[in-house]
Amino acid sequence: QKEVEQDPGPLSVPEGAIVSLNCTYSNSAFQYFMWYRQYSRKGPELLMYTYSSGNKEDGRFTAQVDKSSKYISLFIRDSQPSDSATYLCAMSAYTGGGNKLTFGTGTQLKVEL
Amino acid sequence: GAVVSQHPSRVICKSGTSVKIECRSLDFQATTMFWYRQFPKQSLMLMATSNEGSKATYEQGVEKDKFLINHASLTLSTLTVTSAHPEDSSFYICSARDQRQGGTEAFFGQGTRLTVV
Repeated sequence: QKEVEQDPGPLSVPEGAIVSLNCTYSNSAFQYFMWYRQYSRKGPELLMYTYSSGNKEDGRFTAQVDKSSKYISLFIRDSQPSDSATYLCAMSAYTGGGNKLTFGTGTQLKVEL
Repeated sequence: GAVVSQHPSRVICKSGTSVKIECRSLDFQATTMFWYRQFPKQSLMLMATSNEGSKATYEQGVEKDKFLINHASLTLSTLTVTSAHPEDSSFYICSARDQRQGGTEAFFGQGTRLTVV
């Protein structure tokens, strides 16, 4: 079993839809959670970072963490064609520069006009 | 957020030659940087952890003599793919965590697409 599971998609939605992207994990030591957006042939771009259980909102994006269920989500409201990309969840047990992240496989999202 | 710059963004080389990829943290110091490899439509695979002033730590299955890592300063790490072969063609990405922010968030370079012909 992988430490982090993420549905690879592809996920296709109409413009304006609410998108829900999810990851589950098995390592209860994970405390820090991140969502990245990656456009084709580009490096991942940090979208959201969360630590505690609950919701964190930033514009059209909301990150949700449920540590008891080992489940994290990223919601995108009013999705736009420019949101079409691969979304990667990432997590780590520790903070600090030397601690590596564990990534999900990424979900490919396409927002259609 | 912090900026990590990676160069070159794309390189084509002949089989048997070596290629060097640079990763720089532009506005912060990074004692640790990470090198990933990504195949099409797959997630990031950690290759090695680059430690400033000491040897890199390689993940299982990654040949350290083939993928040479040098982290000579707090803002620069390099990955050299030695004696490259077509199977080394891939997307290579570096990242670093900004210790000023507690090292929680990791920032990535733009990636380098290596094609070995």
